[in-house]
Amino acid sequence: NAGVTQTPKFQVLKTGQSMTLQCAQDMNHNSMYWYRQDPGMGLRLIYYSASEGTTDKGEVPNGYNVSRLNKREFSLRLESAAPSQTSVYFCASRRQGKGAGELFFGEGSRLTVL
Amino acid sequence: LAKTTQPISMDSYEGQEVNITCSHNNIATNDYITWYQQFPSQGPRFIIQGYKTKVTNEVASLFIPADRKSSTLSLPRVSLSDTAVYYCLFSGGYNKLIFGAGTRLAVHP
Repeated sequence: NAGVTQTPKFQVLKTGQSMTLQCAQDMNHNSMYWYRQDPGMGLRLIYYSASEGTTDKGEVPNGYNVSRLNKREFSLRLESAAPSQTSVYFCASRRQGKGAGELFFGEGSRLTVL
Repeated sequence: LAKTTQPISMDSYEGQEVNITCSHNNIATNDYITWYQQFPSQGPRFIIQGYKTKVTNEVASLFIPADRKSSTLSLPRVSLSDTAVYYCLFSGGYNKLIFGAGTRLAVHP
């Protein structure tokens, strides 16, 4: 049981390049999330998907797009990378339950934009 | 937007009890309070969740007063391996899960 899998784990981009971060979960969860974490800081919500076919903006959506391809997969795309997007990106899925439920996180994707 | 306030950092020693408080003044009636632990280079991990009064599991206790405007995570007899960042979280609209800045706990020998 892999849980939440993110690819790639590391990536270096030049300013203006584009890329897609992939995320897949095998726990049959409805909700999925993308967060970014800058060095020494907390997690900030970029986008989330409450269910297959829906996506919503989080706290810091500018410069990103997402696709909920199916129930398992939720991708994050940077169309034109900027140095300010250098960060660790975490994908999570949520087990439904009372209240906020429980989030399960991937190992993170470390992105550097030069 | 839902917002939480926690101390930025705390220090403790092995074997002591640690209490970390989170303020959430605008918590909604149907919100639960959830706490996560994060080690360096890892994603956060769920610790405990509660709605009111007290909840206890194998790793921590969570105390929530009647007005629910704050909550306290209690870690009994901490060890060096409890050094981590601790986040409280509640839903800013059920699915929109916003983390606070977190509390960096350092446990010393």
